[in-house]
Amino acid sequence: ETGVTQTPRHLVMGMTNKKSLKCEQHLGHNAMYWYKQSAKKPLELMFVYSLEERVENNSVPSRFSPECPNSSHLFLHLHTLQPEDSALYLCASSQDHPGTSGIDTQYFGPGTRLTVL
Amino acid sequence: AQSVTQPDIHITVSEGASLELRCNYSYGATPYLFWYVQSPGQGLQLLLKYFSGDTLVQGIKGFEAEFKRSQSSFNLRKPSVHWSDAAEYFCAVGGGSNYKLTFGKGTLLTVNP
Repeated sequence: ETGVTQTPRHLVMGMTNKKSLKCEQHLGHNAMYWYKQSAKKPLELMFVYSLEERVENNSVPSRFSPECPNSSHLFLHLHTLQPEDSALYLCASSQDHPGTSGIDTQYFGPGTRLTVL
Repeated sequence: AQSVTQPDIHITVSEGASLELRCNYSYGATPYLFWYVQSPGQGLQLLLKYFSGDTLVQGIKGFEAEFKRSQSSFNLRKPSVHWSDAAEYFCAVGGGSNYKLTFGKGTLLTVNP
């Protein structure tokens, strides 16, 4: 595997289900991101992990719960979602340089298409 | 606050024609600028980026972009479009010591044969 991979690619779930999205990066990066992409809206940054610590949480509802067990893996745990949460969820990774300014290029996975019934 | 405007929601060009996609940004300091492309059902692929130096940046697939600080613009160009270039294109701005990339709403490119 190369780059950033995401599983599953498609997920349909009911509002009472619990599911998890998985992201794995094979680039040796130390920062990982979750984005939400809805139709007609810009990409929304949800969570950022740098060196396995959460550094950004953009007022995301608690029904979304991220987990970063190591620098290569990122999960998004889902529970009691709403139909408006249906979207493409994208994972990205980059190389963070602590103590320096600047932002490095983010590399994206193919996304998980989530449908909440 | 940083922001990105892509004024064209949808552009249609003929194969072989030239292309320019517009991007205007708002950022309080020196911006880091990116263009990504997204094919249907896929993630975002980096086309090119500007961090500093030469304001004309070359990317993959024959694309280039020019950073114009005075106009707060970073327009994407290609001299001759191929049918495989049909996709959605996103401009993004970031910088400083934060992780936040702000994306535009995207421009959908249709290529006619």
